[in-house]
Amino acid sequence: QVTLRESGPALVKPTQTLTLTCTFSGFSLSTSGMCVTWIRQPPGKALEWLARIDWDGDKYYSTSLKTRLTISKETSKNQVVLTMTNMDPVDTATYYCARIYSNNYPSLFDSWGQGILVTVSS
Amino acid sequence: QTVVTQEPSFSVSPGGTVTLTCGLSSGSVSASYYPSWYQQTPGQPPRTLIYSTNTRSSGVPDRFSGSILGNKAALTITGAQADDESDYYCVLYMGSGISVFGGGTKLTVL
Repeated sequence: QVTLRESGPALVKPTQTLTLTCTFSGFSLSTSGMCVTWIRQPPGKALEWLARIDWDGDKYYSTSLKTRLTISKETSKNQVVLTMTNMDPVDTATYYCARIYSNNYPSLFDSWGQGILVTVSS
Repeated sequence: QTVVTQEPSFSVSPGGTVTLTCGLSSGSVSASYYPSWYQQTPGQPPRTLIYSTNTRSSGVPDRFSGSILGNKAALTITGAQADDESDYYCVLYMGSGISVFGGGTKLTVL
């Protein structure tokens, strides 16, 4: 059974750096083709794709946010970490991590975490 | 940056058929964009319905189908049910590892 769980702070201050961890089980990020992606959703608004990391270490970022995002993996711990710098109240959102089980289906996010609500406020 | 477009809202009668679309602000959607569709109810993460244009995810009823209609990707729900009332999101793969979600369609069944 594939599970993913997001963890991190529920509240950050403007200008701070957000660090979120996705801890997963049921698959290995060392498996060829496997990827993990981050997606966010501001309250009442649409989903927004943020970043992706592949089994081979390749990393990809949203064009509009790439200067603020860093994604990394700790394969032995089954974790993927997303950092976002210079947080602003507009970054208040539920942040999800999801699995892409094959990079041959790059928009198939087949398993999702429950999400973590991050509020940006002073 | 290319914008992925969806109808903001749609309504369908119970038992009816509805087609939601997913387009591009510039250009046409084709299978090479690997269009996928997700269903989301309040407070829940999205659920995968369709991927790679027309492949149903495991456990998804066959009344959900995906296609390319003209220059857009499409999600058709045949025989709509009350619990189909949800937000529906498409996502397109833009290449170079980047995906983009549409703005979502709020479907009302009434």
